[in-house]
Amino acid sequence: SQELEQSPQSLIVQEGKNLTINCTSSKTLYGLYWYKQKYGEGLIFLMMLQKGGEEKSHEKITAKLDEKKQQSSLHITASQPSHAGIYLCGADDNNNDMRFGAGTRLTVKP
Amino acid sequence: GAVVSQHPSRVICKSGTSVKIECRSLDFQATTMFWYRQFPKKSLMLMATSNEGSKATYEQGVEKDKFLINHASLTLSTLTVTSAHPEDSSFYICSARRAGGRSGANVLTFGAGSRLTVL
Repeated sequence: SQELEQSPQSLIVQEGKNLTINCTSSKTLYGLYWYKQKYGEGLIFLMMLQKGGEEKSHEKITAKLDEKKQQSSLHITASQPSHAGIYLCGADDNNNDMRFGAGTRLTVKP
Repeated sequence: GAVVSQHPSRVICKSGTSVKIECRSLDFQATTMFWYRQFPKKSLMLMATSNEGSKATYEQGVEKDKFLINHASLTLSTLTVTSAHPEDSSFYICSARRAGGRSGANVLTFGAGSRLTVL
């Protein structure tokens, strides 16, 4: 089955700082999804990347897909406390079921 | 936008009882719904995939008789934890995939989750 490895596992940054979260797949990526979860709540869809080299932005969050490296990165510019939460990358497996990485817990200090 | 309602958000039950969790797509039809379990500080673990009108497909290691899944309509899937034990205590999340979605797009809408505590 497809495995997704996320790094770092946790991240603490000062408000205003930039940060990057990485997601690496053990298999070819056909669709890579980024979700955000606040502790004890459901997931909020952020972005979907399907093509190599694709880059999408939503407010201050940018995600890129490097198909050759089987990797995606999520970059937050000028982080704010509202960005705090758990970021999960997900990818479709052969059965079109979504698997998730272990998540990156982000804390933004005011 | 697509909304998935999950109920109850929190439930506490005694060991040996059964608990039912509902997952409803409020404004769209969902041919497929997924059930996940999440342990503290861990990622989501896919438990089963349920397709409307057919039996659920369970992941390896998930007991079918323990976690009963029913997807009787295009807007409702239920997860019943039977004869619950303390080790079943966890956060359960459902998600739904819109029927007739764009090919290749697997954007899921998630419920808010249900925290089960078995005493």
